Amino acid sequence: DTGVSQDPRHKITKRGQNVTFRCDPISEHNRLYWYRQTLGQGPEFLTYFQNEAQLEKSRLLSDRFSAERPKGSFSTLEIQRTEQGDSAMYLCASSLAGRELFFGEGSRLTVL
Amino acid sequence: AQSVTQPDIHITVSEGASLELRCNYSYGATPYLFWYVQSPGQGLQLLLKYFSGDTLVQGIKGFEAEFKRSQSSFNLRKPSVHWSDAAEYFCAVGEGAQKLVFGQGTRLTINP
Repeated sequence: DTGVSQDPRHKITKRGQNVTFRCDPISEHNRLYWYRQTLGQGPEFLTYFQNEAQLEKSRLLSDRFSAERPKGSFSTLEIQRTEQGDSAMYLCASSLAGRELFFGEGSRLTVL
Repeated sequence: AQSVTQPDIHITVSEGASLELRCNYSYGATPYLFWYVQSPGQGLQLLLKYFSGDTLVQGIKGFEAEFKRSQSSFNLRKPSVHWSDAAEYFCAVGEGAQKLVFGQGTRLTINP
């Protein structure tokens, strides 16, 4: 296993469409995190899972956002009815027992 | 609330010169501190971390950082930069690695 994998790397969509991002963590890592990074800013925490349980969600995660981690393996982040303000890099990270985070290369969303 | 300040948005140094990137944090307890590096369009790579113990920590690529509790700082240093060090650098603080708070980042440019 070479690291955290994210797909797609880049998604262009029209406002109002739904998009889904997938993250495959490092195989032995039990924790998985989603962050959002807008241009010129540092990443901001969105949510995290321990195994299949979603333990915390940021206020940034509006009701148009939903994340799942079925069976405690890969995770998906879905954004419904996208808005231009959703344009950002969505970063996934994983860790083992709360130690350091290992990040994927991100999924860049552009909403036209 | 936790916060991280990176006072320098952009720094330019000459190749071979020494480097120091500043990071100040606000945190109620003993923090876990991290430095990450991000190349354009890529995810974040961990350079080094401080959890406890020796306040001078060594990282990858010849970087080091010093935790100074009295100054609430965790500055990153490198004695001699290389052109390949040009990137964005992020300082982060958290309790464990569960919900990191990142600074705004410092963009490093290297002059040949």
